[in-house]
Amino acid sequence: GENVGLHLPTLSVQEGDNSIINCAYSNSASDYFIWYKQESGKGPQFIIDIRSNMDKRQGQRVTVLLNKTVKHLSLQIAATQPGDSAVYFCAETPPQGAQKLVFGQGTRLTINP
Amino acid sequence: DTAVSQTPKYLVTQMGNDKSIKCEQNLGHDTMYWYKQDSKKFLKIMFSYNNKELIINETVPNRFSPKSPDKAHLNLHINSLELGDSAVYFCASSQEVGTSGRRFFGPGTRLTVL
Repeated sequence: GENVGLHLPTLSVQEGDNSIINCAYSNSASDYFIWYKQESGKGPQFIIDIRSNMDKRQGQRVTVLLNKTVKHLSLQIAATQPGDSAVYFCAETPPQGAQKLVFGQGTRLTINP
Repeated sequence: DTAVSQTPKYLVTQMGNDKSIKCEQNLGHDTMYWYKQDSKKFLKIMFSYNNKELIINETVPNRFSPKSPDKAHLNLHINSLELGDSAVYFCASSQEVGTSGRRFFGPGTRLTVL
C-alpha cells in the first residue's frame, strides 16, 4: 500500500546548520528509493537516489542513508542554505515495478537566517 | 530547452465544464505519467503510459481521460469538472520501464474549480 511516510511534516533549521529529513517505508521488498525537492510553484526535482543493496550514498552537500532493518530512509543536507527551503519527498519503488513509485507525504524545510 | 512542459500553468473554471491539460517531453523517454497533488502536498499517480499504451490507471473517475498521440505527448482531459478536482496536476516522464523509474516532472498545472 501507500505507506511511505515521514516522521516530521515541518522542519526549521538555522542557515549553515545541517538538516536531517526522515522517512519511514513499509514495504521491505522495495529496492529503490528517491528523494525529491519541490520548491514553491515548481515540480518535484530529483536530488539523490539509493538502491537497496547500499546503505549510504553521497552527493553534493546531500547524503542519503538507508536502514533496511528498520525500514528507514533519511536525507542529510550539509550547511543548509536559503535555497534549500522546499518540501522534500521520499519515494520508494515497490516490487510491483517502477511505474508504482510511491511518494511520501513530504516535509517542509524552512531555513532561518 | 525545457525537458517536461505543461500548458496551461493555471486553469480556473466553473463546475461542470470540460478542460484539457497538455504535456510534452523532449527527453526521448518512453514512459509518461500524470500525478495529482492535493492541498496537503500529497502526490498520487493517476495514469502511466508507455509508448502510447496505458500501463497504469489508478482509481481515478472516468471523467478523467488521458490521451497519448505519440510518446512525447500525454494530455489529460477532464469532463464535468467538480470542486474536488481542484489540485495541482503534474506530468512526468521516465526513461526505463520496469527498472528504477526516476521521474522528471513538469512545472505543474494548478486547476481551480469554482
